[in-house]
Amino acid sequence: QLQLHESGPGLVKPSETLSLTCNVSGGSISRNSYYWGWVRQPPGEGLEWIGSVSYSGTTYYNPSLKSRVTISVDTSKSQFSLKMNSVTAADTAVYYCVLMGLQSYAMDVWGQGTKVTVSS
Amino acid sequence: EIVMTQSPATLSMSPGERATLSCRASQSVGSNLAWYQQRPGQAPRLLIYGASSRATGIPARFSGSGSGTEFTLTISSLQSEDFAVYYCQQYNNWPPLTFGGGTKVEI
Repeated sequence: QLQLHESGPGLVKPSETLSLTCNVSGGSISRNSYYWGWVRQPPGEGLEWIGSVSYSGTTYYNPSLKSRVTISVDTSKSQFSLKMNSVTAADTAVYYCVLMGLQSYAMDVWGQGTKVTVSS
Repeated sequence: EIVMTQSPATLSMSPGERATLSCRASQSVGSNLAWYQQRPGQAPRLLIYGASSRATGIPARFSGSGSGTEFTLTISSLQSEDFAVYYCQQYNNWPPLTFGGGTKVEI
């Protein structure tokens, strides 16, 4: 059964770069129908899609975050990553990695989430 | 960007009752609509995709309907574990993928 697991620092200083990694286990990261993505949820708020990447590296970003975000995939390590620069307190959230394309282009599989706080 | 609007924001129900949650899209998304359940402290999980297809392992008491701009998630008989927040999300026209604001089903 395919599983996702996020990792990265829980605390990032304002203006610095947030970096998270999602490890994929129990399945292939290279299937051509899959998109790997990131979703975040600020405290007490709803869900926001950040962006997605195909196994071949084609990326799609939320226009509201596009200027600050890079998502990439490393098939050799079965992982994909998120980098978000120039973070502020508004980027404080739980960050989830997700898989689209297992049954449809809904978000079929979710990681457990990792909390990131932006604070000095 | 397609805006997803969910109603009501909160639904106060009792176990055993039937719950009906609504989701409206600002433009047609065909049947490319998903529903997710999020219990407190947990990640969301996929319930419904393609507007009406249950994801693997989802109980039959959950059903989805609709197409175009109007969608409904129905829980036929609420169990204690169903009290949670539910989100709809369109994947017809992206980027961006967009979620509704959520409906909290509470006791």
